[in-house]
Amino acid sequence: EAGVAQSPRYKIIEKRQSVAFWCNPISGHATLYWYQQILGQGPKLLIQFQNNGVVDDSQLPKDRFSAERLKGVDSTLKIQPAKLEDSAVYLCASSLSSNYAAPYEQYFGPGTRLTVT
Amino acid sequence: LAKTTQPISMDSYEGQEVNITCSHNNIATNDYITWYQQFPSQGPRFIIQGYKTKVTNEVASLFIPADRKSSTLSLPRVSLSDTAVYYCLVGEPSGGSYIPTFGRGTSLIVHP
Repeated sequence: EAGVAQSPRYKIIEKRQSVAFWCNPISGHATLYWYQQILGQGPKLLIQFQNNGVVDDSQLPKDRFSAERLKGVDSTLKIQPAKLEDSAVYLCASSLSSNYAAPYEQYFGPGTRLTVT
Repeated sequence: LAKTTQPISMDSYEGQEVNITCSHNNIATNDYITWYQQFPSQGPRFIIQGYKTKVTNEVASLFIPADRKSSTLSLPRVSLSDTAVYYCLVGEPSGGSYIPTFGRGTSLIVHP
């Protein structure tokens, strides 16, 4: 089975520029997650989708970050404008569901390494 | 959000058993405990998940005491390829869904 796909793998931009990341989850997975992972830290959840609805976006800096999941499949995460502190790896993950009764295994993509100069 | 505390790093040698303990004092009644492994330049990978007592699969065991305020991941007979960061994960309920929260992780280094 194909894994979670992300692109691009690497991106270098200057501060105040905009950038977008793309994620294609595993087929049939209803839940999609975007994480930010700063070097030396654990992944921080930015936003969680269940199909095309947002389950949680409490840690998403909404003044500059936005995300969408059209048709409940692919998703894009955008940063506009970027700041130096946005330099991190952005991970996309998917799972069959996010039913609280039994949390499902998350499958992670390879991530996009963003460098803001 | 629920928080976890793990040792920052651990060292071991090939063939030894490694136990990594995670504290989660504020774990919710219905919450599960999940462990992930992450190699450099890769996304985390699921290892094991449990709710109480003991869970075992082909790669690890997970021990959870009755009060569920901590859990211990046990890796039997580690090899060099087990060198990675290990994350203990708990979650928060939100509208019937599970919101995962990663800790800072434990960096395990296995020596020859």
